[in-house]
Amino acid sequence: GQQVMQIPQYQHVQEGEDFTTYCNSSTTLSNIQWYKQRPGGHPVFLIQLVKSGEVKKQKRLTFQFGEAKKNSSLHITATQTTDVGTYFCAEEYGNKLVFGAGTILRVKS
Amino acid sequence: GAGVSQSPRYKVAKRGQDVALRCDPISGHVSLFWYQQALGQGPEFLTYFQNEAQLDKSGLPSDRFFAERPEGSVSTLKIQRTQQEDSAVYLCASSHHRVTAEAFFGQGTRLTVV
Repeated sequence: GQQVMQIPQYQHVQEGEDFTTYCNSSTTLSNIQWYKQRPGGHPVFLIQLVKSGEVKKQKRLTFQFGEAKKNSSLHITATQTTDVGTYFCAEEYGNKLVFGAGTILRVKS
Repeated sequence: GAGVSQSPRYKVAKRGQDVALRCDPISGHVSLFWYQQALGQGPEFLTYFQNEAQLDKSGLPSDRFFAERPEGSVSTLKIQRTQQEDSAVYLCASSHHRVTAEAFFGQGTRLTVV
């Protein structure tokens, strides 16, 4: 079935450093969603990207959708301790969202 | 309520016991999903309802798993004769219209089978 691969699996950064997670697919995606899950919490929707080459920003977060719609990235500028959690990308496939395995972000203060 | 509500939050079941997990979606949301999340993994799709119709149950791992949403609002996920491999967090999500709309997740039910 469909599968999106996320890298890295885990990243530990110093507070103030930047962070990027990547989501890759072998097939063209109709759209991509990004979710954040805090430790012990539930996934919370961040954004949806639909158009080829689309770039969206939310404060310190920048989301990109590749020109070929086969990859996406989430970049956080100047991480803060509140950014801690697991970031998932998810693609629409039929009647469901297929989630990547996630990237765990830890921030050292 | 303002969000998706799931109960119970935690459930410990003895192997072989039946369990029922409840989901109250956001009022008016047409779509409802159940996901299973194992420790350290992303959520994995179980089943999808559009109103009361179960349109996709391709993710249910066995015939021990059964879900219903009889009146198009509250949904119940039932697991019969639980086994240790059923231990996971079961997440319910709802969205206003279609699959590609923003999905709102509940806090989940953590099921531990002993």
